[in-house]
Amino acid sequence: GEDVEQSLFLSVREGDSSVINCTYTDSSSTYLYWYKQEPGAGLQLLTYIFSNMDMKQDQRLTVLLNKKDKHLSLRIADTQTGDSAIYFCAESSSNTGKLIFGQGTTLQVKP
Amino acid sequence: GAVVSQHPSWVICKSGTSVKIECRSLDFQATTMFWYRQFPKQSLMLMATSNEGSKATYEQGVEKDKFLINHASLTLSTLTVTSAHPEDSSFYICSASGARNYEQYFGPGTRLTVT
Repeated sequence: GEDVEQSLFLSVREGDSSVINCTYTDSSSTYLYWYKQEPGAGLQLLTYIFSNMDMKQDQRLTVLLNKKDKHLSLRIADTQTGDSAIYFCAESSSNTGKLIFGQGTTLQVKP
Repeated sequence: GAVVSQHPSWVICKSGTSVKIECRSLDFQATTMFWYRQFPKQSLMLMATSNEGSKATYEQGVEKDKFLINHASLTLSTLTVTSAHPEDSSFYICSASGARNYEQYFGPGTRLTVT
């Protein structure tokens, strides 16, 4: 079945760039997503990329997609303490809109 | 735009009682709503998908008689946990998508504690 994998933890210093990586197995994925979850809260849609794109940039966020290797990354430029959260990668391949989530990467930003 | 609310944000109930959680799309019509369950420090587990006016589609292993889902309008879906037990204690999150079904927006979640 479909599977999405992420590393569990990343620690960076404030002002540095953060890169969170994700791999997926479903070659028919049409959309890939990054969500942010702060403690005790729901998920915030940060950005998504269509599978025929290689890159998408939105302010401090850059998403890179390597479809051949089934690898997705999220780069956060000039990381701030407010970026500390859990980041989930997700993929969707069916017309039902069903999302398959990774385990989440906890980003810790040190001042 | 694309705001989804949930009510209540937290609830404590006694074992054996039922609890209803509401999920509303505030500024768009949600043709599809999803219900997830999240255990501490874990990812989201999809429980069911509901389309307005249709019966919900449950994921394998989710008891449909225990987790009743109703999606009566384009802005409201409800999840009722019937005869709740302590093992049902969890964080329940809903999401909704509208005309652009590849964009899914999440509610803030409901913390359920069964004593």
